[in-house]
Amino acid sequence: GAGVSQTPSNKVTEKGKYVELRCDPISGHTALYWYRQSLGQGPEFLIYFQGTGAADDSGLPNDRFFAVRPEGSVSTLKIQRTERGDSAVYLCASSPSPGLHYNEQFFGPGTRLTVL
Amino acid sequence: SQQGEEDPQALSIQEGENATMNCSYKTSINNLQWYRQNSGRGLVHLILIRSNEREKHSGRLRVTLDTSKKSSSLLITASRAADTASYFCATDRDTGRRALTFGSGTRLQVQP
Repeated sequence: GAGVSQTPSNKVTEKGKYVELRCDPISGHTALYWYRQSLGQGPEFLIYFQGTGAADDSGLPNDRFFAVRPEGSVSTLKIQRTERGDSAVYLCASSPSPGLHYNEQFFGPGTRLTVL
Repeated sequence: SQQGEEDPQALSIQEGENATMNCSYKTSINNLQWYRQNSGRGLVHLILIRSNEREKHSGRLRVTLDTSKKSSSLLITASRAADTASYFCATDRDTGRRALTFGSGTRLQVQP
């Protein structure tokens, strides 16, 4: 079956602009995660959805970052007033219902965001 | 902040040799996982070991976990050029929080 997909694969924007990054999880996966990865580092957690609700948004760096998952499937990560420090690869992952598969997460290919 | 730290940061070996990577973490965990990443993009899940397990095998992979030392190792036997990638350990804490905390990774280069 299809894996996690993310669009766009690359996004170049200017400082101060607004961007939206999209994630399509694996069908039937109720949990969805966003991570951010800077060059040479491991991914850092941003936010976790269980169904439509954000179960844990403790990783969002500030109020410029927001994410939604209105129908419990596709999710959009929104970044307002982008800064050069937001440049990174944004990774989305999904996993089956909690308690199954011991939290193995399936990652998408990521969106490389460059803020000029 | 990153909980896990991999060691070494970079490793270069010849095809056919074994590669060993280590990971240390700081808090109590439910599970520890290893992921592989090619070319800085999507991560691929390799293996998961639960906190009550000490060793696990999957094909050419062997993972050990020592919760008393808060450390894990990943052994890749008979390495191949296709194993060239970055390898990350990731933990989820025993508080029930499902977010994974990743280390900074080991960059493995397997020379043909």
